[in-house]
Amino acid sequence: GESVGLHLPTLSVQEGDNSIINCAYSNSASDYFIWYKQESGKGPQFIIDIRSNMDKRQGQRVTVLLNKTVKHLSLQIAATQPGDSAVYFCAENPRPLKTSYDKVIFGPGTSLSVIP
Amino acid sequence: EAQVTQNPRYLITVTGKKLTVTCSQNMNHEYMSWYRQDPGLGLRQIYYSMNVEVTDKGDVPEGYKVSRKEKRNFPLILESPSPNQTSLYFCASSSRTSGGNEQFFGPGTRLTVL
Repeated sequence: GESVGLHLPTLSVQEGDNSIINCAYSNSASDYFIWYKQESGKGPQFIIDIRSNMDKRQGQRVTVLLNKTVKHLSLQIAATQPGDSAVYFCAENPRPLKTSYDKVIFGPGTSLSVIP
Repeated sequence: EAQVTQNPRYLITVTGKKLTVTCSQNMNHEYMSWYRQDPGLGLRQIYYSMNVEVTDKGDVPEGYKVSRKEKRNFPLILESPSPNQTSLYFCASSSRTSGGNEQFFGPGTRLTVL
């Protein structure tokens, strides 16, 4: 069935280094992907999104890369800071996005720990 | 302040005792959704609503009901809770005019069914 999964459940990085969090998706029809950050005790918070007609999108200190050939998504965080410690989820809309949002499927999450 | 609120934040109940978790958003969003979060499983969508009086099942709807009588409210109803519904529940909302699906999440409701 449709699924979104992450390659690594945990990731530890040194403060100041770059972080890369990976995600694999299974539905080739999905055309919209989102990354969320969840800090302890809080609800997920939107970070960045990307449509399938793009292969890269940049935000503030974050970059999302989309490789549709291998159905792979990644989130890159530049100069990782202690405040970046959280669980990161990728999510997809398994139906082509027009004017509706329909279902959203989340991956199991990757826990990022930043070492001071 | 734009936000999604949920009540209660914590609830301990017993098997079979009907309960309702409320969700309200003040952003005039059309889309609302309920998720449950369990260790190792991430967030799984229970139900979603595209607009008033329009609801549909997500991936794990069994044992849950929802209603969308007003745009701002989207309550989650457990008619006969069971221990396997012990979980952390999140409500979320999104604007259909945003061009994407940036969902705003509530703070969560931790439910324990004994």
